[in-house]
Amino acid sequence: QQQVKQSPQSLIVQKGGISIINCAYENTAFDYFPWYQQFPGKGPALLIAIRPDVSEKKEGRFTISFNKSAKQFSLHIMDSQPGDSATYFCAASIRGSTLGRLYFGRGTQLTVWP
Amino acid sequence: NAGVMQNPRHLVRRRGQEARLRCSPMKGHSHVYWYRQLPEEGLKFMVYLQKENIIDESGMPKERFSAEFPKEGPSILRIQQVVRGDSAAYFCASSPLGKTGGQSSYNSPLHFGNGTRLTVT
Repeated sequence: QQQVKQSPQSLIVQKGGISIINCAYENTAFDYFPWYQQFPGKGPALLIAIRPDVSEKKEGRFTISFNKSAKQFSLHIMDSQPGDSATYFCAASIRGSTLGRLYFGRGTQLTVWP
Repeated sequence: NAGVMQNPRHLVRRRGQEARLRCSPMKGHSHVYWYRQLPEEGLKFMVYLQKENIIDESGMPKERFSAEFPKEGPSILRIQQVVRGDSAAYFCASSPLGKTGGQSSYNSPLHFGNGTRLTVT
């Protein structure tokens, strides 16, 4: 049972465009929502994370939008670049539980064409 | 400042053999986690260890899989009598903290290694 559902599975965007990846969850005990970026042959690396008491967090070209009532959150990559081509995973963890016990979405393979 | 180190990067085993995957956490990190990534799937939690203790092994298959994090040396994920379905990328991660909930936990991300790709032939 996938606790965090991610879409789309793959995404192709032109350079300079906006990439949007969506995630949804059911478990209201989740209280930490990180996004990870993974390049081929590498491990996932934390990109940006959000707490449920904040509706938006921006770091450079990357923004997380969080809708607590809908139990959805999304990653927006502005001015997408070919170097952003990677697999992106959303994740969640449960309040008061093990920090490293993350529930991951299945991933979105992003390709940015020059 | 070395990150999480995993070795080997690639491991090929025949069915029935044993696979040993090693992980050295980042300096100063005492919490180690193992994840498995199957093709076109996200990472699945397997086990959480601290030095000499298994804290949470709820994601580990009941048979053939074991993990340890001894007082000295790296953490080891051991798969006995491997089968083709064990072929996957295995990632180790480390953190300086164990529990969520505090402000500091948001500033202490999980650091992943580059994984060991296990192929069972």
